[in-house]
Amino acid sequence: AQSVTQPDIHITVSEGASLELRCNYSYGATPYLFWYVQSPGQGLQLLLKYFSGDTLVQGIKGFEAEFKRSQSSFNLRKPSVHWSDAAEYFCAVGISAQGAQKLVFGQGTRLTINP
Amino acid sequence: NAGVMQNPRHLVRRRGQEARLRCSPMKGHSHVYWYRQLPEEGLKFMVYLQKENIIDESGMPKERFSAEFPKEGPSILRIQQVVRGDSAAYFCASSPPTIETQYFGPGTRLLVL
Repeated sequence: AQSVTQPDIHITVSEGASLELRCNYSYGATPYLFWYVQSPGQGLQLLLKYFSGDTLVQGIKGFEAEFKRSQSSFNLRKPSVHWSDAAEYFCAVGISAQGAQKLVFGQGTRLTINP
Repeated sequence: NAGVMQNPRHLVRRRGQEARLRCSPMKGHSHVYWYRQLPEEGLKFMVYLQKENIIDESGMPKERFSAEFPKEGPSILRIQQVVRGDSAAYFCASSPPTIETQYFGPGTRLLVL
């Protein structure tokens, strides 16, 4: 069965420090991969996506992610975090079925920023 | 171009009542998806609809839950005889038919007393 694992439930980093959020997926075919961010009480905003091609993808707000097929991973990175990055981050894999996709999400990683 | 609209944003119901959640997709989008987020969990797929058709409802509970996307008007997620375990955030997403990216609404937070 398709699944997404985000091993870190909660991460705390200092403002200005680098960040890496881990994501591992299980899916038999070529995956469509996504990272979304959710601020408290808000909906999900798309940060970036991978469909094919270059395995290093750039997103909004200075985020990037690297697809590694051999490790079934799609880790999210940012070189220097800002206090406004504090939020919940979700990795998802798109499952193609019946002409469209449904998303399978990880449990999320809550990011706290220390001043 | 307005984003995905959901209303109400917050809904309080007593056990046994009905909850109706509405979702208006982005302009030009013909695919609608509903997801549920239980407290402290990720989002779980419930149902995927196109206009007047339910395409995939594999994530919907077998009883009390139904969804529709009529030819005119918003998509509706209906929960009959709500129970406390239905308390959650319900998110709608939409996509155009040729693009794989889903865009999410702000969600409806349902609280069952």
